[in-house]
Amino acid sequence: KAGVTQTPRYLIKTRGQQVTLSCSPISGHRSVSWYQQTPGQGLQFLFEYFSETQRNKGNFPGRFSGRQFSNSRSEMNVSTLELGDSALYLCASSLDPGPYEQYFGPGTRLTVT
Amino acid sequence: AQSVAQPEDQVNVAEGNPLTVKCTYSVSGNPYLFWYVQYPNRGLQFLLKYITGDNLVKGSYGFEAEFNKSQTSFHLKKPSALVSDSALYFCAVSQNNNDMRFGAGTRLTVKP
Repeated sequence: KAGVTQTPRYLIKTRGQQVTLSCSPISGHRSVSWYQQTPGQGLQFLFEYFSETQRNKGNFPGRFSGRQFSNSRSEMNVSTLELGDSALYLCASSLDPGPYEQYFGPGTRLTVT
Repeated sequence: AQSVAQPEDQVNVAEGNPLTVKCTYSVSGNPYLFWYVQYPNRGLQFLLKYITGDNLVKGSYGFEAEFNKSQTSFHLKKPSALVSDSALYFCAVSQNNNDMRFGAGTRLTVKP
């Protein structure tokens, strides 16, 4: 089975711009979660989607948003980029919501200049 | 809200020696506990999880973890460390949803 794929792998944007990151979960996985990883804050939960609905949301400003499509693929969007948004954004998929292990993609490295 | 703490930023062990990476958790109900490993420039890989049942959980690559409810701990262990085990290890907790909270991570270095 193919793993979780994320595109693009690397991205450089300027402050004030917006960005969209994409995630394709493992085939058959219906739940997709997004995380931000930075050296200072570690791994922080952004949000989780299941059946095209956001089920959980972490403590991030409204500039961070996401969606899930009927094929379980997910996108996250960050508007009005700030320098502090520079991070590795990780997508993870699992079979369903609940105590299932999550399978992570390689991440998208976003650099905001 | 659930949280985990990994009290050690760094753990150094010699190859062949046993290793322990510590994790304590805080949760209001029954916890679901996980260990993940991250190699350089790669995403996280699942190692093992505790949901219910036997307190000793065995996972990938010879790792195991012991759930201790009274001490609210879920330490990761391996009887004999390998140089290739050197990586960043994350403990995580959730409660019947995918709002998974990760610890800050512990960098394990195994020296030959």
